[in-house]
Amino acid sequence: DTAVSQTPKYLVTQMGNDKSIKCEQNLGHDTMYWYKQDSKKFLKIMFSYNNKELIINETVPNRFSPKSPDKAHLNLHINSLELGDSAVYFCASSQGRVFYEQYFGPGTRLTVT
Amino acid sequence: AQRVTQPEKLLSVFKGAPVELKCNYSYSGSPELFWYVQYSRQRLQLLLRHISRESIKGFTADLNKGETSFHLKKPFAQEEDSAMYYCALTAPGGFKTIFGAGTRLFVKA
Repeated sequence: DTAVSQTPKYLVTQMGNDKSIKCEQNLGHDTMYWYKQDSKKFLKIMFSYNNKELIINETVPNRFSPKSPDKAHLNLHINSLELGDSAVYFCASSQGRVFYEQYFGPGTRLTVT
Repeated sequence: AQRVTQPEKLLSVFKGAPVELKCNYSYSGSPELFWYVQYSRQRLQLLLRHISRESIKGFTADLNKGETSFHLKKPFAQEEDSAMYYCALTAPGGFKTIFGAGTRLFVKA
């Protein structure tokens, strides 16, 4: 039974398009995250949500808009995609303020052409 | 500045040799330190955390607050240890985690 799932796994699209990535966790965690991993494997936090509230926004362009309809879901919508958005996007969850250990999704590889 | 530094991008050792993956951090406060591992075609997963002071898969890591280091060590490397290793720092509160750039460990037969 998958703990953190993401869809789609691969996403290929053209510049200027709008796309969404979905994330769901069934661990009962109250905190969810989005990370971006670039081509050099560097992993950088983008957003952090706790109980559906935005806690961290790491200077991410406004084209990226996360949405948390409930504690188990954190979706990422990206407008006007650019070549530089090509990366692997990871969703993660944790039970914040307890152990901080994060559980990661499998990643979504976004390619913008 | 909050930062996690892993100076080695690639570390190659022979099977049975000791391995040490270096991690230094910069944070004004008391963060939680972790090592995460990503095996080929698998998702990123927790390897160990400093607060547990445990040994996982033969790996240990000691937090040295004086040197602000959290190096990962294993006395005898195995081929299945080949993976990408990330050192991470989580700020108190648990909402922000900073990852190092990662070290790719390659264990040769």
